[in-house]
Amino acid sequence: GAGVSQSPRYKVAKRGQDVALRCDPISGHVSLFWYQQALGQGPEFLTYFQNEAQLDKSGLPSDRFFAERPEGSVSTLKIQRTQQEDSAVYLCASSPSPGGWGAFFGQGTRLTVV
Amino acid sequence: GQQVMQIPQYQHVQEGEDFTTYCNSSTTLSNIQWYKQRPGGHPVFLIQLVKSGEVKKQKRLTFQFGEAKKNSSLHITATQTTDVGTYFCAGRNYGQNFVFGPGTRLSVLP
Repeated sequence: GAGVSQSPRYKVAKRGQDVALRCDPISGHVSLFWYQQALGQGPEFLTYFQNEAQLDKSGLPSDRFFAERPEGSVSTLKIQRTQQEDSAVYLCASSPSPGGWGAFFGQGTRLTVV
Repeated sequence: GQQVMQIPQYQHVQEGEDFTTYCNSSTTLSNIQWYKQRPGGHPVFLIQLVKSGEVKKQKRLTFQFGEAKKNSSLHITATQTTDVGTYFCAGRNYGQNFVFGPGTRLSVLP
């Protein structure tokens, strides 16, 4: 596709349920980022991949959060045993450069934990 | 850790008035990016600044990077209703990842 695609667009999960969020970056983009955006706030960094290597996962809030990008293209963010405070929009961004210059964001997945 | 602040939090202007948002970092930045997010939308990349004192223009938008590389500003001349949205700066501290500010939400009254 022409842009970064995320699925699902909306996800409602019961507390304690596991969820998986998918990101299809722009083809050929080296860098891939995951961000969490709470309502009325700026995106907060979660993790960064350069190709298939996860170079930085310092933003993941707990060990319930796990991300992978096994073939250097599609990425999945998994949240285990979801809690209400996990409710947010999860944004994926990709960039053609290793440094993340000019990142293109996807539409995001809005996760609501009830 | 690195903190990025933006002021004002909200700005309401009459169409045709100018608008400025300011971004300040607690640490020296290697570069800074600006994004615009429309209501219900996702952040859209506007520009990246790298050099100390750098000024870049995009039509009615003027971006500036401070001499000390700790602050930046975005100025919009003669706002239009299409400028409505939240403007985020995102600063990077040499090798680390971008830290987004909380954003300035712009409303333009016709």
